[in-house]
Amino acid sequence: EAQVTQNPRYLITVTGKKLTVTCSQNMNHEYMSWYRQDPGLGLRQIYYSMNVEVTDKGDVPEGYKVSRKEKRNFPLILESPSPNQTSLYFCASQTGTTGELFFGEGSRLTVL
Amino acid sequence: GDSVTQMEGPVTLSEEAFLTINCTYTATGYPSLFWYVQYPGEGLQLLLKATKADDKGSNKGFEATYRKETTSFHLEKGSVQVSDSAVYFCALSDSGNQFYFGTGTSLTVIP
Repeated sequence: EAQVTQNPRYLITVTGKKLTVTCSQNMNHEYMSWYRQDPGLGLRQIYYSMNVEVTDKGDVPEGYKVSRKEKRNFPLILESPSPNQTSLYFCASQTGTTGELFFGEGSRLTVL
Repeated sequence: GDSVTQMEGPVTLSEEAFLTINCTYTATGYPSLFWYVQYPGEGLQLLLKATKADDKGSNKGFEATYRKETTSFHLEKGSVQVSDSAVYFCALSDSGNQFYFGTGTSLTVIP
């Protein structure tokens, strides 16, 4: 089954404790991206990657890092999380430039 | 920069009512336009898309027409069902790399 898998789905952590949200897709898509969803703000793009070792900033990259060492994986790293990074995070993948994003189920992160 | 503005919600309709959710956009180029739907507890999934002016996207009874002259991409459905209850997001992509989403419109359909 074609899917985008994120882990963890739920996480409560404390300010400053590094964490990684993993994302993996099994569709051989070149393009992957991360979004955060906040009430009243919709989805905002954090980072995207057009291919292995190619990443670029989206609209809200501050406080986040990503890496793309393999085509299927695109982890999101919060080096020193802060409460304003409490949000619902989505990973997505896309093949070529068709525009159809395939989303994971989301990771709800709470930073205390 | 590019942006999407969509109708504030929440929207509550009776079953079989007509649905319109307004969406307007600002873009420097010639973007592709999308409607995504998010059911409770799930990720977003593509509902329909249009890649050039005057294109009409359609799926599951929903339609939207890419109107360049009014920079709009309004979502419509002639007769909504309870199963259409979800959050709807309008989105655009100018390059296929960066995507811009609206704030989402929550729809509840009551029997």
